[in-house]
Amino acid sequence: EAGVTQSPTHLIKTRGQQVTLRCSPISGHTSVYWYQQALGLGLQFLLWYDEGEERNRGNFPPRFSGRQFPNYSSELNVNALELEDSALYLCASTHYGSTQETQYFGPGTRLLVL
Amino acid sequence: AQKVTQAQTEISVVEKEDVTLDCVYETRDTTYYLFWYKQPPSGELVFLIRRNSFDEQNEISGRYSWNFQKSTSSFNFTITASQVVDSAVYFCALSDLMNYGGSQGNLIFGKGTKLSVKP
Repeated sequence: EAGVTQSPTHLIKTRGQQVTLRCSPISGHTSVYWYQQALGLGLQFLLWYDEGEERNRGNFPPRFSGRQFPNYSSELNVNALELEDSALYLCASTHYGSTQETQYFGPGTRLLVL
Repeated sequence: AQKVTQAQTEISVVEKEDVTLDCVYETRDTTYYLFWYKQPPSGELVFLIRRNSFDEQNEISGRYSWNFQKSTSSFNFTITASQVVDSAVYFCALSDLMNYGGSQGNLIFGKGTKLSVKP
């Protein structure tokens, strides 16, 4: 069974640009979570989508947004990039509401903002 | 507020030594999940174990063992006879038990412990 996939693996952008990151969950999983892992800040929760709706978001500005598609894949959009947005962005999936509530993570997208 | 503390930032051991990674958590919830994940240099978080708050039994899986003590709010992870391949950053995480419509859903992570196992 395929795991969580993310694309692209690496990105280099300049300050002020916009970026879109993509995530495909494990087959059968309906929830997708996004986390940011910036140097020195640890893993921080960004967004949670389930059944196409945003269920919760972390303490991030509105320029971080996303959506979930009918096939449960998800996009994370970051507008007006700032240097401190440089980080590893991790996506996780789970089947919310079932007993299988472990979040399984993808390989991440490394974003560098210059 | 929920919080996870991993006081050990870095640990270095020699192969075949046993090593224990500490995790202390804070939560007001009476039902919750605790997790350990491993993050090798490649970056992907690898799930190791999940424990719910009702189950205080210790668990052993090969060279890995976990000690959950609710009385001290700790969920420690021991690697026996460590190997070079165990070198990674290990994260402890906390989540409230998922009740549809009421859960925050996200994981609260500790800062991680970087384990270096030298040959």
